[in-house]
Amino acid sequence: AQRVTQPEKLLSVFKGAPVELKCNYSYSGSPELFWYVQYSRQRLQLLLRHISRESIKGFTADLNKGETSFHLKKPFAQEEDSAMYYCVLRSSASKIIFGSGTRLSIRP
Amino acid sequence: EAGVAQSPRYKIIEKRQSVAFWCNPISGHATLYWYQQILGQGPKLLIQFQNNGVVDDSQLPKDRFSAERLKGVDSTLKIQPAKLEDSAVYLCASSLGLGAAGDTEAFFGQGTRLTVV
Repeated sequence: AQRVTQPEKLLSVFKGAPVELKCNYSYSGSPELFWYVQYSRQRLQLLLRHISRESIKGFTADLNKGETSFHLKKPFAQEEDSAMYYCVLRSSASKIIFGSGTRLSIRP
Repeated sequence: EAGVAQSPRYKIIEKRQSVAFWCNPISGHATLYWYQQILGQGPKLLIQFQNNGVVDDSQLPKDRFSAERLKGVDSTLKIQPAKLEDSAVYLCASSLGLGAAGDTEAFFGQGTRLTVV
């Protein structure tokens, strides 16, 4: 079964502290994994994808096939990072499956 | 580039009434998705189209929900009759399409917030 698990509903950290949003997946093939973000009153938008191995807004995520994880990390949180974050899996048939989301709250 | 357009933005109906949502994807995008997002949960895929054909509708409650994309462009999602538990945000998204070069990112509309009372 294809599944994405985000164990934390809410993560609250102080500004300047490191951030790690956890994501684990279940998929029998080779997955494509993404992080999508939704800022207050805005639409869902792509943050980063594992195939490009890029850093966006200071965030990075490494696909660990052994642990079936795709955790999102940022060394120093900023207040503007407060948002809802979704880990997303895309199957070979372009089916897009969302995790339940983690609300990241950055305290000043 | 224009984004994915959805209407209406908000809708309040009584249970057992009918409702329809409309989505206009990004021009040239062959794949179109409808998602249901209940408060506090992640979006759940209801139906996926490739052009005007259905790729996946395994989670669509077919006794009350229907969707179509007759000309492979715009799409409508209908609920008839609505139940209280259908209260949610209905999201439409589109992407280039299966097998298309660079087809990885899905673009989302603002969503339609449905309240069933």
